[in-house]
Amino acid sequence: DGGITQSPKYLFRKEGQNVTLSCEQNLNHDAMYWYRQDPGQGLRLIYYSQIVNDFQKGDIAEGYSVSREKKESFPLTVTSAQKNPTAFYLCASSMPPWTGFYEQYFGPGTRLTVT
Amino acid sequence: GDSVTQMEGPVTLSEEAFLTINCTYTATGYPSLFWYVQYPGEGLQLLLKATKADDKGSNKGFEATYRKETTSFHLEKGSVQVSDSAVYFCAPSSGNTPLVFGKGTRLSVIA
Repeated sequence: DGGITQSPKYLFRKEGQNVTLSCEQNLNHDAMYWYRQDPGQGLRLIYYSQIVNDFQKGDIAEGYSVSREKKESFPLTVTSAQKNPTAFYLCASSMPPWTGFYEQYFGPGTRLTVT
Repeated sequence: GDSVTQMEGPVTLSEEAFLTINCTYTATGYPSLFWYVQYPGEGLQLLLKATKADDKGSNKGFEATYRKETTSFHLEKGSVQVSDSAVYFCAPSSGNTPLVFGKGTRLSVIA
């Protein structure tokens, strides 16, 4: 089955620790995205990557970092510089825009709690 | 850049009631338009889409028509079920940038 996997489903960390969230896709999509979701806030874009070894900041990139060394993988690191990291994190992927297919496919999400 | 405005929720309906969730957008050019649904504790699922003016997207009894003249893409369903309780997101995309999501509209359907 093709799809996007995020692991783990729930993640707990102490304040001051960096934590890396995993996102893997086997849809052969070029583009991948990370969003953050807080209650009542909708989705906010953290980072996105349209091709391997390249990525762009989204609206709320401060305190986060990413890498895109492989087409299938787009891990997100939440650093200790992120002031309020507790949230639900969603990864998505899509075909390149030139194909005319813009829809994004989402993983099941990781709920991060930092105390 | 692209932006979207959705009606504020929550929306509470009785089973078999008619549903409308309003969505208006601003975007450059001729965007594609999407509705996504999120069930509790899950990621977003694509519900339906439309790629050009006057197109009607439909899926699982839900429909939305791409209205370029009013820059709207309202979601409708003739008879909602309890299982439709979820958060619904409207999103335009001009293609070269990621989807822009509204805040979502929470729908609760009571039996």
